[in-house]
Parts: sequence; structure tokens; C-alpha cells
Amino acid sequence: GQNIDQPTEMTATEGAIVQINCTYQTSGFNGLFWYQQHAGEAPTFLSYNVLDGLEEKGRFSSFLSRSKGYSYLLLKELQMKDSASYLCAVGGAGNMLTFGGGTRLMVKP
Amino acid sequence: GAVVSQHPSRVICKSGTSVKIECRSLDFQATTMFWYRQFPKQSLMLMATSNEGSKATYEQGVEKDKFLINHASLTLSTLTVTSAHPEDSSFYICSARPPTGGWQETQYFGPGTRLLVL
Repeated sequence: GQNIDQPTEMTATEGAIVQINCTYQTSGFNGLFWYQQHAGEAPTFLSYNVLDGLEEKGRFSSFLSRSKGYSYLLLKELQMKDSASYLCAVGGAGNMLTFGGGTRLMVKP
Repeated sequence: GAVVSQHPSRVICKSGTSVKIECRSLDFQATTMFWYRQFPKQSLMLMATSNEGSKATYEQGVEKDKFLINHASLTLSTLTVTSAHPEDSSFYICSARPPTGGWQETQYFGPGTRLLVL
């Protein structure tokens, strides 16, 4: 079966750092994706990890540990525009993506 | 980057009518497209995988006779919600993946179609 867990909501302060965790138990694994989704809009791609370790891309970084079934998305120097939902997704067979429930991040001044 | 469009962006219809949603990959050919449904404050749920020139693959619990998928060309997939009811009101999103490259080639999502059934 597929099970992907992430916190439902998080709140952080502008300029701070926030880490959004994702744990997964899936029957197949072809990498882990993070997407950002603003309300009423389609998701936009943030990062992809298939090997263990940290991938850094500007203010956003993503980490993967395949043995632990664990990933996190790290957002630095938070800005108000970072308020959005962040979706963790696992790639499976047939190019399918299975999404977690999403984490709604609210950035406060 | 790759662009995927959807039409219409928003539709309001009466209960019992059918609604067609188009998904187009504008600058690449996609042999596979995916259709998702997203209810308010929930994540994306895969409904079906649309395969060009063959039948779609539906996820468990999704009625294939109610959600008709046609992938007639390498750049167009359509989802028809037949005899729509208020509980079908949702945000429908398609995605497509360029055929070249490995898993690092992410899926590109359309802007979504918001369906409201009265």
C-alpha cells in the first residue's frame, strides 16, 4: 500500500527557517518530489530527490533518507509569499505520483 | 519550461449535465497524462492515467463510466464528467510528463479546472 504522512499545518515567522517533514511507506520508489501549491492554483515543482542526501536550490533545500523513508523540505529566509501548501509526493511505477496530504504553511510578519 | 494548459478554467453546470475538460501539452508530446481531483483543503488524488491511443487506467474507486477519458493525440487528453452531481464539484488538475529523460523529468501540471455542480 501507499502511505505518505506530513503535518497538516505549520506556522512560521518571516525571515525564519522552517522544516517540513514527510515520511513514506510505499510499494515502489522512484524518487521523492516536493511541490508548492498556492490556493486555487496548480502545484509547481520544487525539488526531486532519488539518492540519499541534501539537494540545495536557493532558499529551498530537500533531504532524503531512503532507509528511513523520510524526507524534509527546508525553507530559509521565509517570505510572506511562501505561504502555501507544500506537497510531498513519491514516484512509483508507470510514472505515477502519489501525494501526501499536504502541509499548509502560514508565514506571519 | 514545459507548459500544460487546461480548458475551461472554471465551469458551473446544472446537476445531470456532462462537462468536458481539456488538457493540452503545448510544447511537448505526452504519451501519458494524469488526471487528479482535489477537494478543498485536501491533497491531490490520482483519478486515472490517460494513455495515448489506448484505454485509460483508473484508480480504485473511480468510476470509469462516469469519468470518461479520451487521449486522442499526443498533446490532448479530455476528461468528461458525465451526469455531474454536486458531490462531483472539485478542482480537477491534469499533468503531463515529457517523454525524454528519467524520473528527474517532473510532471508538469495544468492550471486546473474548478467545477461547481448546482
